[in-house]
Amino acid sequence: EADIYQTPRYLVIGTGKKITLECSQTMGHDKMYWYQQDPGMELHLIHYSYGVNSTEKGDLSSESTVSRIRTEHFPLTLESARPSHTSQYLCASSANRVHYGYTFGSGTRLTVV
Amino acid sequence: AQKVTQAQTEISVVEKEDVTLDCVYETRDTTYYLFWYKQPPSGELVFLIRRNSFDEQNEISGRYSWNFQKSTSSFNFTITASQVVDSAVYFCALGEGFQKLVFGTGTRLLVSP
Repeated sequence: EADIYQTPRYLVIGTGKKITLECSQTMGHDKMYWYQQDPGMELHLIHYSYGVNSTEKGDLSSESTVSRIRTEHFPLTLESARPSHTSQYLCASSANRVHYGYTFGSGTRLTVV
Repeated sequence: AQKVTQAQTEISVVEKEDVTLDCVYETRDTTYYLFWYKQPPSGELVFLIRRNSFDEQNEISGRYSWNFQKSTSSFNFTITASQVVDSAVYFCALGEGFQKLVFGTGTRLLVSP
């Protein structure tokens, strides 16, 4: 049973549309992360948060934005989707210390046409 | 600085062959954690194992085994008698204290019947 949920699982959307990818966790984790993964496999950290009202940009520059108003919720928004945003987006969370690693959601496969 | 290297981009084997996935890490900390994750074609990352830096004992779980050697900074993963269901991308990761996990670039394993 998943403790971190991502919706939608798949999304096909037209260029220029605004989209929000949802991520929620029930583990009470303070830390949450968004990764972008292209077919080349490598995981690219695009955003992370260490708690409510705390967000930081990751290692890979992204046109998306995130918010963290509640501990359990970490949505990612694209104001104007473009074909270059086509990718898989993975959300993860962790305890304050990373002893137990990350728990990942099932991902959102986004296609912008 | 932390770093994880998975030099094997892709490995192809025939069912029932044994296969070893290599992982080499760099860290200056004496306390750290190493992880392996599996990403099947469905997309989610599944936790396989966690190892702390003070426990060099090898571990076996069914057909899976892990060889942790601090002397060579390696944490290799062996699948014995591989099966088609083992086909996936496998990620090695390193975690220290309150820092973010550092992931390797992944190894794609293809097991053919």
